[in-house]
Amino acid sequence: KAGVTQTPRYLIKTRGQQVTLSCSPISGHRSVSWYQQTPGQGLQFLFEYFSETQRNKGNFPGRFSGRQFSNSRSEMNVSTLELGDSALYLCASSLGPGEGGNEQFFGPGTRLTVL
Amino acid sequence: TQLLEQSPQFLSIQEGENLTVYCNSSSVFSSLQWYRQEPGEGPVLLVTVVTGGEVKKLKRLTFQFGDARKDSSLHITAAQTGDTGLYLCAGARSNYQLIWGAGTKLIIKP
Repeated sequence: KAGVTQTPRYLIKTRGQQVTLSCSPISGHRSVSWYQQTPGQGLQFLFEYFSETQRNKGNFPGRFSGRQFSNSRSEMNVSTLELGDSALYLCASSLGPGEGGNEQFFGPGTRLTVL
Repeated sequence: TQLLEQSPQFLSIQEGENLTVYCNSSSVFSSLQWYRQEPGEGPVLLVTVVTGGEVKKLKRLTFQFGDARKDSSLHITAAQTGDTGLYLCAGARSNYQLIWGAGTKLIIKP
């Protein structure tokens, strides 16, 4: 079974631009979560989508948004990029709430650098 | 706010030594997961513990869930260089949302 895939793997943007990251979950997984990981702040939860609906949201500004499609694939968007948005963005898929204990299967991440 | 505190934050030991990493909270979790992350990759699930007092073994790694389901530990026996990585714990709330610890960066020196 193929794992979680994320595209692109690396991205360089400048301040003020916007970016869209993509995630394809493991086949059969209906829940997708997004995380931001930085050396100083660790793994920070952004949001979780299940059945095309945002189920949970972390404490991030409105510049961070996401969506999930009917095939469970998900995208996240960051608008008006700031230097502090430079991070590794991780996507994780799981079976769904209450199934499999919400065990997360992570992709390799997208490394975003904002100049 | 539910917090999950991991300790130590950083640990550097020689190959062959034993070590224990802790994950503590004042809140009860329905289950607790341990992950390991290597540089340039996403975290990989190692184990999930569900029952209070549960002990699970994965080769040289022993995971324990506290009796009250508020804390957990990971013990590594005879550490190897391949154990190097960032170890993360995550507790599941009753609504299945995960609360993440800040991680323990482990370096095993040859």
